[in-house]
Amino acid sequence: KAGVTQTPRYLIKTRGQQVTLSCSPISGHRSVSWYQQTPGQGLQFLFEYFSETQRNKGNFPGRFSGRQFSNSRSEMNVSTLELGDSALYLCASSPVGGTGRQQYFGPGTRLTVT
Amino acid sequence: QQQVKQSPQSLIVQKGGISIINCAYENTAFDYFPWYQQFPGKGPALLIAIRPDVSEKKEGRFTISFNKSAKQFSLHIMDSQPGDSATYFCAGRGGGGNKLTFGTGTQLKVEL
Repeated sequence: KAGVTQTPRYLIKTRGQQVTLSCSPISGHRSVSWYQQTPGQGLQFLFEYFSETQRNKGNFPGRFSGRQFSNSRSEMNVSTLELGDSALYLCASSPVGGTGRQQYFGPGTRLTVT
Repeated sequence: QQQVKQSPQSLIVQKGGISIINCAYENTAFDYFPWYQQFPGKGPALLIAIRPDVSEKKEGRFTISFNKSAKQFSLHIMDSQPGDSATYFCAGRGGGGNKLTFGTGTQLKVEL
């Protein structure tokens, strides 16, 4: 099976702009989670989607939002970008049921805000 | 509390030696404890995981030891190889859905 794919891989934006990142989960996986990775804060949970519904949300401001489509693909959006939003944004997918605890990460999108 | 504390921050081991990374958690609602390996420029890769009702799990050279009463777990890498040089993260799953709370990471270097 193909792994989790994320697009784009690299992105440079200016403060105040908005950005949309995309994630395609492993075929058959219905849960998609997003994480932010920075040198200072490490890996932090943003939110999780399952069956097009947000199932859980981390401690991030409302500028961070996401959605999931009927084919389980997910997007996350960051509005009014700040310098501190520069990070590696990781998407992880998980099967549901049985041993559905395993999460498999994509390669990430490296966002740089200038 | 959702925190997961990981130590050491960095570790240097000789080839063939044993690498040991420790984690401690506070949230007793965690129901799954994975370890991830991350190479520069890559996403974290699931290495091995354990449930809290199991005290030890071994997969090849990688072993997780789990102490539920102490709320601690550790990763042992036997016969460490230069290719194992990477950053390792422990995590706990809980707080709803598949949310993972990660440790701060351990940068492992295996020297020849």
